[in-house]
Amino acid sequence: EAGVAQSPRYKIIEKRQSVAFWCNPISGHATLYWYQQILGQGPKLLIQFQNNGVVDDSQLPKDRFSAERLKGVDSTLKIQPAKLEDSAVYLCASSLGARINTDTQYFGPGTRLTVL
Amino acid sequence: QKEVEQNSGPLSVPEGAIASLNCTYSDRGSQSFFWYRQYSGKSPELIMSIYSNGDKEDGRFTAQLNKASQYVSLLIRDSQPSDSATYLCAVNMNRDDKIIFGKGTRLHILP
Repeated sequence: EAGVAQSPRYKIIEKRQSVAFWCNPISGHATLYWYQQILGQGPKLLIQFQNNGVVDDSQLPKDRFSAERLKGVDSTLKIQPAKLEDSAVYLCASSLGARINTDTQYFGPGTRLTVL
Repeated sequence: QKEVEQNSGPLSVPEGAIASLNCTYSDRGSQSFFWYRQYSGKSPELIMSIYSNGDKEDGRFTAQLNKASQYVSLLIRDSQPSDSATYLCAVNMNRDDKIIFGKGTRLHILP
């Protein structure tokens, strides 16, 4: 079974530029998560989708970050404009269901973003 | 108090010894607790989940939960160099049904 796919793996941009990340979850997984992991920190949830609806986006900086999950499968996360403090690894995860307590999240390899 | 606290380490343990990793959390009503392993440059991987007070064993790993004291720990027996990684504690916070990760503890197994 294929895992969670993400692209690109690495991205370097200058501040105030825009960037987009793509995620393809495990087939059949209804729930998709985007996390931000700053160096030396644990992952922080940015947004959670259940199929193509948003379950939780309370920690998404909506003035510059946006995300969508069309047709309940692939998802994109966009940053516009980027700031220096956005430098991090952006992790996508998926789970079969939406029960955080019991549905295991499977993480993709991540996209390492460097903002200069 | 931070929501999920871990000692960042590094924790150095000789090969073959027991590695003990600790985590405390702030939300007394939390019910679900997870340990993830993250190798350098890789993504987190779930290794244990625990929901009830006491011990839960899986191979060389044992998770221990004490809700009254609000701590959860992970023991790794017969530590191997391949266990060298960052171990992330994650807690499903009762108040908003959100999973919060700690900063992780870097574990280094000395050959």
